[in-house]
Amino acid sequence: GAVVSQHPSRVICKSGTSVKIECRSLDFQATTMFWYRQFPKKSLMLMATSNEGSKATYEQGVEKDKFLINHASLTLSTLTVTSAHPEDSSFYICSAMTPSSYNEQFFGPGTRLTVL
Amino acid sequence: GESVGLHLPTLSVQEGDNSIINCAYSNSASDYFIWYKQESGKGPQFIIDIRSNMDKRQGQRVTVLLNKTVKHLSLQIAATQPGDSAVYFCAENTGFQKLVFGTGTRLLVSP
Repeated sequence: GAVVSQHPSRVICKSGTSVKIECRSLDFQATTMFWYRQFPKKSLMLMATSNEGSKATYEQGVEKDKFLINHASLTLSTLTVTSAHPEDSSFYICSAMTPSSYNEQFFGPGTRLTVL
Repeated sequence: GESVGLHLPTLSVQEGDNSIINCAYSNSASDYFIWYKQESGKGPQFIIDIRSNMDKRQGQRVTVLLNKTVKHLSLQIAATQPGDSAVYFCAENTGFQKLVFGTGTRLLVSP
């Protein structure tokens, strides 16, 4: 149980285009989902917290107009990187949390974004 | 040239040895701590957790120790195997459901 999937696993896009990444909780309902970014050989950095049916809460320094988050259902959150640039190339990881877990987050497998 | 922070601390051990990975956390109010294993190109995988009202918790081949006085967390892996090779992160729950991850340690296990 507690499986989280991400799609796509890898994406390459041209500079200036937008890319959407999906995060799904497969066997549970996630009231809260989180989006992280990880640069090579670095730790995970929280970008935003997404609650179903409400606006996402962004961490300091994360541009909300560039990284659009939608949490339209209890099993799906999407992250859209708008007008992507090479510096947006990174590993994006989502996690999901259930109301009953003691703040335990279940992580997706990550999405590797490369912007040319 | 190299820059500080670009390279993860690395622990190299022989297969069968015990491994100890250390982590210093920042927030004395954190009440929940987790160790994650991350293999290359994959998301973090839960290993073991501990709440702040405990100082030790054991799992299968793994033990987590928590010292709140010095804000230190450690992960002990018994009889380390090549499959344990990965990057290990500690994470603390600082409240508001957020996790703050440590910098990570790369574990290399030689056969």
